[in-house]
Formats: sequence, structure tokens, C-alpha cells
Amino acid sequence: DQQVKQNSPSLSVQEGRISILNCDYTNSMFDYFLWYKKYPAEGPTFLISISSIKDKNEDGRFTVFLNKSAKHLSLHIVPSQPGDSAVYFCASYSMRTGANNLFFGTGTRLTVIP
Amino acid sequence: DVKVTQSSRYLVKRTGEKVFLECVQDMDHENMFWYRQDPGLGLRLIYFSYDVKMKEKGDIPEGYSVSREKKERFSLILESASTNQTSMYLCASSLLDRAHEQYFGPGTRLTVT
Repeated sequence: DQQVKQNSPSLSVQEGRISILNCDYTNSMFDYFLWYKKYPAEGPTFLISISSIKDKNEDGRFTVFLNKSAKHLSLHIVPSQPGDSAVYFCASYSMRTGANNLFFGTGTRLTVIP
Repeated sequence: DVKVTQSSRYLVKRTGEKVFLECVQDMDHENMFWYRQDPGLGLRLIYFSYDVKMKEKGDIPEGYSVSREKKERFSLILESASTNQTSMYLCASSLLDRAHEQYFGPGTRLTVT
């Protein structure tokens, strides 16, 4: 049973515009949330994280928003660049059980059109 | 710069064969992980290790075993490969206290025929 869901398998955005990638989770015990980015033929790389005590975390062009009541998080990329084209995975875990057991979504393929 | 390497990019094995997937990291990380990635299912944790000779089961350990004899090396073993183990296998490592920030290898695409 998928505890972290990314319902959009793909997303296309024009260069310079905002990319919004969405993620939903079902386990109310999750209290730490992450985004990973994956280029073809490479492993995923850690991008940004947020704990449940916050509702927003920003790192340069990347911002993650968390809505705990809706069990929803989103990654905003502004402005989008062609180099952002990749597959984005969200992941989460419970601090109680530890980050050794991350639960990943199925990924969203972002294409930024020049 | 953290580097995680996996022994093969592509591997084809026959049903019933014993398969070894090797992973090496060069950043002295305590934690190491094995995942498999399948379409529509995302990454699923098979096993992880937080120290030499220590291992913990992940979500889908059935049909797999692991070995960690040295800190930098973590092996995934398929004792008797089956067709449903055809998948992309990803190894990762992390510091003990930053387990959420995992560094992944490029993956091994295993096909069992």
C-alpha cells in the first residue's frame, strides 16, 4: 500500500515559469518530508527537506510547502530552468521509527521547455 | 564529493542463479541501503545496515540477503533469482545522524530470465 503518492507522473513547464510538483501521504505518523531529484542514468540526489513543525522551507529557487491537515506537500521551482528537467521523488518518514526507513513516492517527471 | 559505485550497470541472470550485487562508498558513511525501483511503485527499501555486520530488514526483504563485512562495502544477495526480481536496484549511503540525506549509486538493472 503506497503511503506516499505522487499522482502526476509527468509535468511540462516553460522555462522561466513556476513548476509545482505535488505529493500526498496517508500515514499521520510521518513528520519529516523530503524531495529527491533524479537525472537519467544517475541515482537520486537529495534536494530539500521540511519537518512537520514548519509549513515552508526555502532553498534558492526551491521551496517546499507542507499542509499537515491535508497531508499534502508540494515543491515549487521558480524560475524553472531546462537543467531542472528530471524525475522528482518525494519521501517521508516518522522520527519515531527513524530515517533509515524512507517511504518514497513513484516520482514525477518534470520537463522544462526552453 | 560523495561517490557510491555499483559493480554493474546491467546484469542478466537465469532463474535459480545466485546473484551478487556489490556497492562501495568512499565517504566513510555508517549507513548503507539497498532499494529496488519498479514502475508505479517507487523506491522500496530491501535492507539497510548501520554498521559493519549489522543489518535491518526493510519493507521487502523476502528473497534477499545482505552482507556488510567492511564499512565501505554492502552486498545484496539473491540466493535463487526469480523473474519477479527483475528490477532496478539502487544502493545508497548516509551519515548515521543524517539518514534522510542519502547518496545513491547509479543503479543496476537486473534482468532475470
